[in-house]
This record gives sequence, structure tokens and C-alpha cells, in this order.
Amino acid sequence: IVLTQSPATLSLSPGERATLSCRASQSVSDYLGWYQQKPGQAPRLLIFDTSNRATGIPARFSGSGSGTDFTLTISSLEPEDFAVYYCQQRSGWPPEVTFGGGTKVEIK
Amino acid sequence: EVQLVESGGGLVQAGRSLRLSCTASGFTFGDYAMSWFRQAPGKGLEWVGFIRSKASGGTTDYDASVKGRFTISRDDSKNIAYLQMNSLKTEDTAMYYCTRVLVTSSSSYFDYWGQGTLVSVSS
Repeated sequence: IVLTQSPATLSLSPGERATLSCRASQSVSDYLGWYQQKPGQAPRLLIFDTSNRATGIPARFSGSGSGTDFTLTISSLEPEDFAVYYCQQRSGWPPEVTFGGGTKVEIK
Repeated sequence: EVQLVESGGGLVQAGRSLRLSCTASGFTFGDYAMSWFRQAPGKGLEWVGFIRSKASGGTTDYDASVKGRFTISRDDSKNIAYLQMNSLKTEDTAMYYCTRVLVTSSSSYFDYWGQGTLVSVSS
């Protein structure tokens, strides 16, 4: 399964709303995750099973979608939210884990 | 506090071997599957493989790009997961991350990550 993220880069100002897209080449049902990665750091799990926030993740992060089309929304960007975001799915057979190519959210 | 600390990375010649370790603390290591990922410089995330808990059979799965060359194992008595990398290629150059696996009703995610260890393979 191939995950395609868009846009590649999103230029926004603090306080604005960010909408990131992830499209799967075939249905992944509701089983999609989102990760945030800042420069020089390991990724951090934000969202699992499409819409569930991971431990400690602020409520401004939300996920939605099903089947092949998914969205990560950051309701109001904080300075610490400027980073690269990846979507991820896991297939049962053949067993594989795949990530999208990433969306960079940069300061406008 | 959950912590994962990778070690064992370094510079190695193509064709040689390297073993990475991931030392875990802050949770019951034996209850969890563990996974390895890598990220080449300036590139995206790539799954390497994972090992299930002993209760789930302790079996492993690998990405096609490393299958037959890399082996994941675990020592629950020491809270360590290993990644044995053989026949290394220059394209294996990357930061390698160890993660804990979060298993939901029908899928898997990666809820804690180590800081990574850098592997550089020279020709």
C-alpha cells in the first residue's frame, strides 16, 4: 500500500489552521496513524486509528477520514508545531509498515 | 518513564556486519512487540522489521529490502532488542530507531522511539 501525502510543504503563520492530507492506494479501513518529526529528533506518535490522540498530545491535533482519504488538522498552529508530519499504515499480509513521504509545515 | 536507548552504530565497510542494541526501561519489556526503523539522511521513514512478544510467539517480520540480511531478536531478561545487520550495503546508511509497538484492535503503531543510532556504510 502506497501512502501519498499532500501538500509537500505548507507555509502558514502561527495561529492559522493546518490541514494535511494522506491518500492510500487501497483501503486501510480506519487504521492510519500520524507522526510529527522535528529536525534532529525522533518521530512522535500523534494520532492512531485515524482519530485517537496518543498520550500527551494536545487537543488542537485531530485526525479524520476512512478508507483511502485521511486528514490531520492542527486547529491553531503553535510555534512548536512547525515540523514534518508523516502518515503511517500497517498491512497484515504481506506484513509491512509504510509511511507517506511527509508534509513539511513551515513558518510563512 | 518509558525510555529506549539505541547503541552500536558506527562506520562500517560494505559487506561487513554490525549489531545494534536497544535497551528499554520504564515498562514491562516482555509484554510488548518491538520494531526497528531507519531514516537515510534527508529522507523519509522506512520500516526495517519487528519482533512480537513471546506471548504472541516471538516471531519476526521484515521489510523486503532487508529480509535475509537483517535479524531482529530480543532478550527479555535484559530488556534489550537487537538488530543484527549482515552483508551491509551503502544504501543501508541511515539513522536507525528502535520503537515500542502499540497494538490496537486491528493495527500497530509506534508510540515510543529511541533517539537513534547512526550507521554509515562505506564502499
